[in-house]
Amino acid sequence: EDQVTQSPEALRLQEGESSSLNCSYTVSGLRGLFWYRQDPGKGPEFLFTLYSAGEEKEKERLKATLTKKESFLHITAPKPEDSATYLCAVQAENAGNNRKLIWGLGTSLAVNP
Amino acid sequence: DTEVTQTPKHLVMGMTNKKSLKCEQHMGHRAMYWYKQKAKKPPELMFVYSYEKLSINESVPSRFSPECPNSSLLNLHLHALQPEDSALYLCASSLDRATDTQYFGPGTRLTVL
Repeated sequence: EDQVTQSPEALRLQEGESSSLNCSYTVSGLRGLFWYRQDPGKGPEFLFTLYSAGEEKEKERLKATLTKKESFLHITAPKPEDSATYLCAVQAENAGNNRKLIWGLGTSLAVNP
Repeated sequence: DTEVTQTPKHLVMGMTNKKSLKCEQHMGHRAMYWYKQKAKKPPELMFVYSYEKLSINESVPSRFSPECPNSSLLNLHLHALQPEDSALYLCASSLDRATDTQYFGPGTRLTVL
């Protein structure tokens, strides 16, 4: 069964303390992996799309990487405004033309000043 | 610009009311989605429209009725809802292919009394 697991469930960092969030996936074949940030009561905000192992993307303090089994979201020198829930979603090959994403449960990040 | 707009932001309705949620995008995207999200859960796919035709209905109860009047607009008509339907309703759009990134709107917070 296709599955996405995110860890840790919750993470509390001090401002400036770098860390990584993990998204491990078990799918028949990966077509795309998506990272989103979500603030309470708001819609997910797109961060990155990764399509193949070895791919890396960066945006400000965030860097996403992808292997054949997992993706990491590295946060460098985080600020309090980086506090949010980070969601990972995967599209699998056996989805065909079905656009359904398989979602992880998210990592809730809190950055203390 | 990757903006999806949704109205209203908040909606309170009784179980006998009829209401509609609206979603709009002007990015030229040809796929549009409705999601439902409960607290501390990832988004749950409800409907997908591709080129203005309903392509996916995830076994959603008939009290939810989607409509796609044109390529930029997506509606969700609500009738005879139950209190357990209270949730954040999210609209999303993507360019064309199933592997394209989905961009989400801010959501409508629905409360059913």
